[in-house]
Order: sequence, then structure tokens, then C-alpha cells
Amino acid sequence: DQQVKQNSPSLSVQEGRISILNCDYTNSMFDYFLWYKKYPAEGPTFLISISSIKDKNEDGRFTVFLNKSAKHLSLHIVPSQPGDSAVYFCAASAGDNFNKFYFGSGTKLNVKP
Amino acid sequence: GAGVSQTPSNKVTEKGKYVELRCDPISGHTALYWYRQSLGQGPEFLIYFQGTGAADDSGLPNDRFFAVRPEGSVSTLKIQRTERGDSAMYLCASSLGLAGTGEQFFGPGTRLTVL
Repeated sequence: DQQVKQNSPSLSVQEGRISILNCDYTNSMFDYFLWYKKYPAEGPTFLISISSIKDKNEDGRFTVFLNKSAKHLSLHIVPSQPGDSAVYFCAASAGDNFNKFYFGSGTKLNVKP
Repeated sequence: GAGVSQTPSNKVTEKGKYVELRCDPISGHTALYWYRQSLGQGPEFLIYFQGTGAADDSGLPNDRFFAVRPEGSVSTLKIQRTERGDSAMYLCASSLGLAGTGEQFFGPGTRLTVL
């Protein structure tokens, strides 16, 4: 009963183009979402977050979009760089238990030079 | 720069043995989390501490798993009578524990292998 799903295990993109990573969730109580990036042999590092009162949050090359009615969020990276190659996890939590995060299974992004 | 540290980085044990995994959070972070990550999966929540107390231990899979944080800083995850299915990467994270600031800082993890 995975509540956060990332259905694409991998994605390959050319340098300079847009990378779009997708995430779906099933729990309508989720109201806070984060994206993490993970390099090999390191722990995940925080990338960007969004609360359910917004539908978009932007930070430099990274933008997260939230579609509450579809229970879907996406991470856009523009322009993609080879250093962005990593595994990306989305995570979600519900307001009454905001410190308990549910993670997706991750998408491995490969940005080709 | 003191991030979250975890020791050991690798632990190989035999089925039935007892293991302890240690986590040193970022100084001043009141919240501490343990996750388990199996191959090809995302981190799976185990337990969350706010200060010294376990605020939510609903992710611990069974009573062989136990975690403590006696002084509100370092935490130890303890696994009794290990089974081969316990083999995974165990991640620790810490945060300020405030609502709406969910950024968690992860350590590099301890890879546990049960033979």
C-alpha cells in the first residue's frame, strides 16, 4: 500500500534540455511535499518543497508543481546539467503528523553531456 | 561542518545476532528519524524522536527493533535476533522538527548485511 509512487524508475535527458520527474500520491491528507536528490554512497539531500496551499514553487533551475485534484506533483529541472544526474525521491507528509514522511521509490536521472 | 554521521558505515552479521547502529545528528536538531531503505526502494519510515522521546514508532516492523535517544542527541537503533530480511541500508536524519519546515538532513547510512 505505497502511498507515494514514482512510476518511472529512470529518465535520460540531454544536457540543456528540461527534465520532468513525476510523483503520484494516494492519501488526500498529504499537505506537504518535498523532493530529495541522492548521489551514490551519500544520504539524500533536500532539494525543494511545496505546501498544499500553493501549486508551484520555484528555486533557481528547479520548479515543483502540485496538482491536488490529480494527486500529482512534478519536478522540473531547466536547464538540466550533468551534475544533476542522481536518484530523485519525492516525499509527502500529512498536517497532523508532519514529521512522518512517506517516500516514493525514486527516479534515476541521467543527464547526458 | 558537522552533518549527520552514522556508524558503522557497513555491518555484516550472522542471522540471530544482535546489532546496534549509531546516529549522531546535527547539533541543535531536536527531531531525529530512522529509515530503512531496501534496494530499489525509497526510504521507509521506522521511528521519529522529538527530544528524548519516541514521538512516533509506528514504522518499526516488529518487537525485534528498538531505538533510544537517552540524552536527546545521539540515537541508537537496536535489532535483536537479526534475520536475513533485515538486510538493508539504515538511514538516519535530523531536523529542527518544526511544522512546514520539513527539510531533513540525512546521514550516509549504515549498510547492514545479515548472512
